[in-house]
Amino acid sequence: DAGVIQSPRHEVTEMGQEVTLRCKPISGHDYLFWYRQTMMRGLELLIYFNNNVPIDDSGMPEDRFSAKMPNASFSTLKIQPSEPRDSAVYFCASSLGGASRNEQFFGPGTRLTVL
Amino acid sequence: SQQGEEDPQALSIQEGENATMNCSYKTSINNLQWYRQNSGRGLVHLILIRSNEREKHSGRLRVTLDTSKKSSSLLITASRAADTASYFCATGRANQAGTALIFGKGTTLSVSS
Repeated sequence: DAGVIQSPRHEVTEMGQEVTLRCKPISGHDYLFWYRQTMMRGLELLIYFNNNVPIDDSGMPEDRFSAKMPNASFSTLKIQPSEPRDSAVYFCASSLGGASRNEQFFGPGTRLTVL
Repeated sequence: SQQGEEDPQALSIQEGENATMNCSYKTSINNLQWYRQNSGRGLVHLILIRSNEREKHSGRLRVTLDTSKKSSSLLITASRAADTASYFCATGRANQAGTALIFGKGTTLSVSS
């Protein structure tokens, strides 16, 4: 298995532009998570899905952020409009079964820079 | 707020020495997990210890869990330069199978040769 796949690996954009991050979870996994990592705030959970349904989006910072999972093999995290404070590394992770009972597999991350 | 808090924040040792990192948490848990993150990479799962376990081993890793003190420790024996990374503990809350893990802020380990 190729593991969790994220694209792009790096994204540089200007303030106000729309940014779309993509994730392909491990086949068969029923949970998908989006995290954001910064030096100041550490690793923050943004949203997670179970069987393609959003379960908890309380970590999404504001309405500029949205996430979708149209099928079991694909998810997107969109930021519109982007702001410099959104600069961070965004990770996608997936797991099989109860999220709090099993290990999570992380993708390599997308490093986002908003100028 | 963060559930797990690692201690120390940073640790520097020589190759061959043992490294011990600690994690404290606040609420009842179902399990506690340790992850490693190499610079510029995603997190990699190291070991999971369930709330009814007290100690677990995996290769050069030894994890202990004390639920009465709400704390865990990760011991890396005979450290190598390749162990240089950040280490995070993550907790899964009890009775919430669908809940996500909560990560601490990590311990940065530097192993010099």
